[in-house]
Amino acid sequence: AQTVTQSQPEMSVQEAETVTLSCTYDTSESDYYLFWYKQPPSRQMILVIRQEAYKQQNATENRFSVNFQKAAKSFSLKISDSQLGDAAMYFCALYENQFYFGTGTSLTVIP
Amino acid sequence: DVKVTQSSRYLVKRTGEKVFLECVQDMDHENMFWYRQDPGLGLRLIYFSYDVKMKEKGDIPEGYSVSREKKERFSLILESASTNQTSMYLCASSLFQGVVEAFFGQGTRLTVV
Repeated sequence: AQTVTQSQPEMSVQEAETVTLSCTYDTSESDYYLFWYKQPPSRQMILVIRQEAYKQQNATENRFSVNFQKAAKSFSLKISDSQLGDAAMYFCALYENQFYFGTGTSLTVIP
Repeated sequence: DVKVTQSSRYLVKRTGEKVFLECVQDMDHENMFWYRQDPGLGLRLIYFSYDVKMKEKGDIPEGYSVSREKKERFSLILESASTNQTSMYLCASSLFQGVVEAFFGQGTRLTVV
């Protein structure tokens, strides 16, 4: 069965510092998608970054990058130069015909 | 930009009422999803649909039903609302394949009293 595990319910980071959010997943498929979604206090869930499993290169989007370890089934999100606006709940997700979400990590950014 | 619109942001209903949550997307996506979000539990899939009139049960379908009569609209129905259905409900849509990404609505906070 597909599962997505986020073992850090809460994380905090100083403004301008770097933080890494962890995610592991389980799947028997070789072709799938992985995502990090951000849900600010306003509630609208938005995509942060996407990774296709067949691509070995780690995805990056400005200050956001991932460390995709396919063999270890690990997909961590690194946020560089953290900003106050990065404070949110972050969800890791796996897509195989439907989306499977982790339980989320609440990120606090300390000024 | 893709837009997914949920009919209400806040809803208060009484126990036993039949409740309809509506979701409309404007990008011709095949997939549509209904999730329930509770603190510490993440997003749990209630139902999803990959085509008109098609539906598949998710992880927690009990007490819910869905309807998809048109491609752009996916309705979640609480047949007889109960207090344990008080929650945040999120609708999402996506392509079935290709550049897959879930686009979410703004959420509906449902309170059953």
